Amino acid sequence: EAGVAQSPRYKIIEKRQSVAFWCNPISGHATLYWYQQILGQGPKLLIQFQNNGVVDDSQLPKDRFSAERLKGVDSTLKIQPAKLEDSAVYLCASSHKTNTGELFFGEGSRLTVL
Amino acid sequence: AQSVTQPDIHITVSEGASLELRCNYSYGATPYLFWYVQSPGQGLQLLLKYFSGDTLVQGIKGFEAEFKRSQSSFNLRKPSVHWSDAAEYFCAVGGAGNNRKLIWGLGTSLAVNP
Repeated sequence: EAGVAQSPRYKIIEKRQSVAFWCNPISGHATLYWYQQILGQGPKLLIQFQNNGVVDDSQLPKDRFSAERLKGVDSTLKIQPAKLEDSAVYLCASSHKTNTGELFFGEGSRLTVL
Repeated sequence: AQSVTQPDIHITVSEGASLELRCNYSYGATPYLFWYVQSPGQGLQLLLKYFSGDTLVQGIKGFEAEFKRSQSSFNLRKPSVHWSDAAEYFCAVGGAGNNRKLIWGLGTSLAVNP
C-alpha cells in the first residue's frame, strides 16, 4: 500500500512570508497528525484530525499556523507569516481508526526560514 | 507529569557489538510503549510496540525491547549492530483510547563505527 505522501520535501522562505505543506495519508486512515520536529528534538504534535474534525490543536500557534482537512482525506498546513523559529521538519502521520498508537509517517517537509 | 526520558543523547558502537538504548517514562495510566527509528532525511518508522502481555517484545530489523514496570523502563536492545542501524531512535508512550496523545522522548542518536 502507498505510504503517507508529503510535499514539498524542502522549502526555503524569508521571514514574514507564507508557506503551505500538503499531506495525503494512507488510504482508509481516519486520523491524521501534523508534527513539528526541530533539529535535535523529538516530534511535537501540532494538530490531530479525526476524519475532518480537530481532536487536538492545543500546541498549534494559531496566530500564524492553520491546518485543514476538508474532506477527511488530505490535509494542508499553512504558516503565515513565518518566523525564524519555524525552521523545522514538518511531519505528517496517519493512523487507522482503531488507533493502536502505531503512526505511519511521511518523509517530512523541511522548512528553512531566513 | 507525563514524560519520557532518553538519558543518552548520543551513542557510538562498533559494528557487530551489542546495543542497548535506554528509555524511562512517567505515565499515570497503563502505558502503551513504542520505539521509532528515524534514518537521515526520512520520516519515523515503528520498530516495536508494547501494549500488554509478554514484557519482551520483538520488532523489526532484529530489535527487541523489554518492559519493566517496576523500573518504568522500556529499553531497546539489539545483539549485533549493523552499519545501517545508524539513525535517531525515539521512545514514546501513550495510553488507551482513540484520541490518545503520544509523549515523545528527545531521541538518541546512534553512530556505528565500521
